Amino acid sequence: AQSVAQPEDQVNVAEGNPLTVKCTYSVSGNPYLFWYVQYPNRGLQFLLKYITGDNLVKGSYGFEAEFNKSQTSFHLKKPSALVSDSALYFCAVRDTITGGGNKLTFGTGTQLKVEL
Amino acid sequence: DAGVIQSPRHEVTEMGQEVTLRCKPISGHDYLFWYRQTMMRGLELLIYFNNNVPIDDSGMPEDRFSAKMPNASFSTLKIQPSEPRDSAVYFCASSLGQDLYEQYFGPGTRLTVT
Repeated sequence: AQSVAQPEDQVNVAEGNPLTVKCTYSVSGNPYLFWYVQYPNRGLQFLLKYITGDNLVKGSYGFEAEFNKSQTSFHLKKPSALVSDSALYFCAVRDTITGGGNKLTFGTGTQLKVEL
Repeated sequence: DAGVIQSPRHEVTEMGQEVTLRCKPISGHDYLFWYRQTMMRGLELLIYFNNNVPIDDSGMPEDRFSAKMPNASFSTLKIQPSEPRDSAVYFCASSLGQDLYEQYFGPGTRLTVT
């Protein structure tokens, strides 16, 4: 079975500082990994994905994530946070083992709060 | 493209009533997903379709829930009869299979069952 864990319910960071939102995963085969962001009263928006290749993936709005197979992690990062980055962030995983279907399994979400 | 369209945006109903949620996916997308989001359980996949055919409905909580996709541009999620514990935000999402699961979400329907 595939699963993903986001160990922090909330992350607080000052504007201009770097931010990290943590995600670890568990799959039987190789993972496809995703980050989504949800603003209040809105649907989830795709940020970035790792399928294969370079472990450092760059996405929308200056976000990036690093795939680390040995630590089974896919942490979301941004060098300089903005107040407008404040939102709920979801990590998601899909196992490439046949039989997993096309389902994504989402984490519980991490609330990011960027303060002036 | 207007993105994924869901209606209504808000629904308040009484316990026992039938509720129908509607979704129009992005034109050309061949996968459609229905999710439910609550504080307690987070984001749960209820069912998904490929080319209008239901592929996996293992997330549908019970027989009170049903979903249909009569054509490529329309899907419904029905709850009959509704119960207070069904109160949640229901999201529809669509994707192009070849894009390896980048899903586009609608704005959601906030359902309140009293």
